[in-house]
Amino acid sequence: DTGVSQDPRHKITKRGQNVTFRCDPISEHNRLYWYRQTLGQGPEFLTYFQNEAQLEKSRLLSDRFSAERPKGSFSTLEIQRTEQGDSAMYLCASLSMGSTEAFFGQGTRLTVV
Amino acid sequence: GESVGLHLPTLSVQEGDNSIINCAYSNSASDYFIWYKQESGKGPQFIIDIRSNMDKRQGQRVTVLLNKTVKHLSLQIAATQPGDSAVYFCAENGAGGSYIPTFGRGTSLIVHP
Repeated sequence: DTGVSQDPRHKITKRGQNVTFRCDPISEHNRLYWYRQTLGQGPEFLTYFQNEAQLEKSRLLSDRFSAERPKGSFSTLEIQRTEQGDSAMYLCASLSMGSTEAFFGQGTRLTVV
Repeated sequence: GESVGLHLPTLSVQEGDNSIINCAYSNSASDYFIWYKQESGKGPQFIIDIRSNMDKRQGQRVTVLLNKTVKHLSLQIAATQPGDSAVYFCAENGAGGSYIPTFGRGTSLIVHP
């Protein structure tokens, strides 16, 4: 399968714990996006990378959220000191330069208890 | 501010009918508008896009219409099938090459056999 893959698919964590999600984009795509989606809503943009450069991070929800893409390939999204309001689906998408067709992974569903 | 919204949250149709899903947008500077389909438990899937200098584009069983005068976008699905049942999102791709897909809330399409 050469699509976008995300790991884990599901994560249950206790409030206050840190969590990290991984996204492996389509290999030739240089743009990588993170979104959050809650029930009944559309995906909400968080941040994106072009290669290893994080070009937009002002929409990360708080300073507890951070993302990296150290070698311009896979990316991680970390949430520190999780809160119940962080419970959501976290989606990753990749896109090649000049294209409008974003390819999404199946998401990581986070439940904070 | 920028927003992409949808008129109806749920649309029910009979198999074989044509479906029309509508979307309003406010950012007239967007370069592209895109339709995505999201099935339960999956990430959004690209359907079709339309550049802002066009008013119509056709794909396989789908047609997207763009009315820039009233800032309205629609997705027409011909001969709707049960497999078309999903949530449909319109998105705008930003202006000036920002390439950040911004999603509206979505319309749930239910196809009755």
